[in-house]
Amino acid sequence: GAVVSQHPSWVICKSGTSVKIECRSLDFQATTMFWYRQFPKQSLMLMATSNEGSKATYEQGVEKDKFLINHASLTLSTLTVTSAHPEDSSFYICSANQGQSNQPQHFGDGTRLSIL
Amino acid sequence: DQQVKQNSPSLSVQEGRISILNCDYTNSMFDYFLWYKKYPAEGPTFLISISSIKDKNEDGRFTVFLNKSAKHLSLHIVPSQPGDSAVYFCAAKIGGGADGLTFGKGTHLIIQP
Repeated sequence: GAVVSQHPSWVICKSGTSVKIECRSLDFQATTMFWYRQFPKQSLMLMATSNEGSKATYEQGVEKDKFLINHASLTLSTLTVTSAHPEDSSFYICSANQGQSNQPQHFGDGTRLSIL
Repeated sequence: DQQVKQNSPSLSVQEGRISILNCDYTNSMFDYFLWYKKYPAEGPTFLISISSIKDKNEDGRFTVFLNKSAKHLSLHIVPSQPGDSAVYFCAAKIGGGADGLTFGKGTHLIIQP
């Protein structure tokens, strides 16, 4: 089955640090990947859609300069949280479509980000 | 504003019985619905989906029912097994394109032996 790998799984860093999270599709090519964020006891909220070779599309209320997305290849998208602050602490998770865009999205295992 | 709602944060069911998880939505533009299962420290795993042109989809022990007029869908698991204990998320999207999903808050299903 389709596998999406996300790295790192857990990050703790100081306020002001920039943190990069990688999302890889291991056994398929993904022209589109998605980044979600989940706060405790809340639903997964779509942050942005990452498109290979073009700019990401951000959801309303998500700062594109704060959350930099790069989708440089068909198997890798990265999310960089720039100058992270405690309020950015959350669970970040990526997903990708395998094959046709109407196929179910496959998710990585997520990254727990804690900013001190 | 929560467009996909799972009003039961948790549900406890005896092993062997039927588990019924419910989901309501408010956006009438949604036409594709999915259920995901999530264990702690893992990403959601796709379970089953249904298109708005259908009212039922079945895959083994899992069946999803869609009532468009009521904007309601449900996931039935029968018989329930201990390994089914997890958080179940209902998700929806508009159209068949490469769009992100709108999720509910999830229901924690506990299967009791």
